[in-house]
Amino acid sequence: GQNIDQPTEMTATEGAIVQINCTYQTSGFNGLFWYQQHAGEAPTFLSYNVLDGLEEKGRFSSFLSRSKGYSYLLLKELQMKDSASYLCAVRVNTNAGKSTFGDGTTLTVKP
Amino acid sequence: NAGVMQNPRHLVRRRGQEARLRCSPMKGHSHVYWYRQLPEEGLKFMVYLQKENIIDESGMPKERFSAEFPKEGPSILRIQQVVRGDSAAYFCASSAGREEPQYFGPGTRLLVL
Repeated sequence: GQNIDQPTEMTATEGAIVQINCTYQTSGFNGLFWYQQHAGEAPTFLSYNVLDGLEEKGRFSSFLSRSKGYSYLLLKELQMKDSASYLCAVRVNTNAGKSTFGDGTTLTVKP
Repeated sequence: NAGVMQNPRHLVRRRGQEARLRCSPMKGHSHVYWYRQLPEEGLKFMVYLQKENIIDESGMPKERFSAEFPKEGPSILRIQQVVRGDSAAYFCASSAGREEPQYFGPGTRLLVL
């Protein structure tokens, strides 16, 4: 199976930068996704990494190191609306193509 | 371009009744995934379907739960003889292919009294 670890909670200040880490242990790795989920709402897709390196998309960037089983999501210029849960999900290279989700990191942005 | 649709958004059932949750994937998507989320917990994979076929049901309880994705119409997650422990948010996601990102519907919040 897959084991995915993320910090449970983080707090940051509006305008700052925050890095949310995700470590995973799996065989047949075939991609890592980050999702944002506001309380009571559906997860929304943020980013996808399958090769090592940094993927940048506006204020959000995601990094992957396959050899270390490690990824992070970087949020710049934090806004109050960024307060949400951030979910790391790993896909393995099986016929199923399913993704296994971590329990999420709840980020609170304070003024 | 409509996103993933789920209905009902909220469903209340008494113990022993049946719950039917429906999911219409995003246009052009033929891969559907069902997840369950308990309060304060992460998403747990239940089942993955592609038109008329169940690809992976390893996360779905063997009893009382079933899923289908017919050639025509939405995907259905069916829970028979519901119990209080079935109370959760059930999310459906769809993708254009096995390698593509999954996009989530708004979820169905099931409450079993």
